[in-house]
Amino acid sequence: DGGITQSPKYLFRKEGQNVTLSCEQNLNHDAMYWYRQDPGQGLRLIYYSQIVNDFQKGDIAEGYSVSREKKESFPLTVTSAQKNPTAFYLCASSQSRDPYNEQFFGPGTRLTVL
Amino acid sequence: AQSVAQPEDQVNVAEGNPLTVKCTYSVSGNPYLFWYVQYPNRGLQFLLKYITGDNLVKGSYGFEAEFNKSQTSFHLKKPSALVSDSALYFCAVRDGRGSARQLTFGSGTQLTVLP
Repeated sequence: DGGITQSPKYLFRKEGQNVTLSCEQNLNHDAMYWYRQDPGQGLRLIYYSQIVNDFQKGDIAEGYSVSREKKESFPLTVTSAQKNPTAFYLCASSQSRDPYNEQFFGPGTRLTVL
Repeated sequence: AQSVAQPEDQVNVAEGNPLTVKCTYSVSGNPYLFWYVQYPNRGLQFLLKYITGDNLVKGSYGFEAEFNKSQTSFHLKKPSALVSDSALYFCAVRDGRGSARQLTFGSGTQLTVLP
């Protein structure tokens, strides 16, 4: 899983609560990404950031928020507005915004709503 | 718009036999193509990519992939499968145009190598 860490590994949330998933990288990468993985659906992009203090919505940003105050950190908040948040969340980074750069993934956080 | 399809949800192969995991794509410009592997409850690991040049790309763990522009395919191959190759494999594509969106992933193919 390279130089990307995600915490916690497992997270349980009650309905109506906001939770924040941590993602840290020590690869000195400019770009960072958050994906959601559901069985049989592959990965779907939630948010991405190509530079500090800037981020863009992906395909399924509703109910999520992010910040990018430091190059190495890209936390994801799952808000109570996300109707079906139970999923496996993956953080990734790439050296730059260039389309030919591969992405490196963290080990993931499994979020379960009780 | 860009898209990628992995037509097989499941591929079974005997250990020692060659394996192929299929991927087809659709982009407007030139494609950048990637293969990733995921083991249970883990993140994705990069295997290989095609950017330009030789149509046969070699990657990690003995895997290779062949880019076929006329068939818009990028199938993953390995000459001799190992039980430890059993995992979930994802193909991904990004349009090379500057304004293109980010990576699009296929739905994944579960590879099982039988001893």
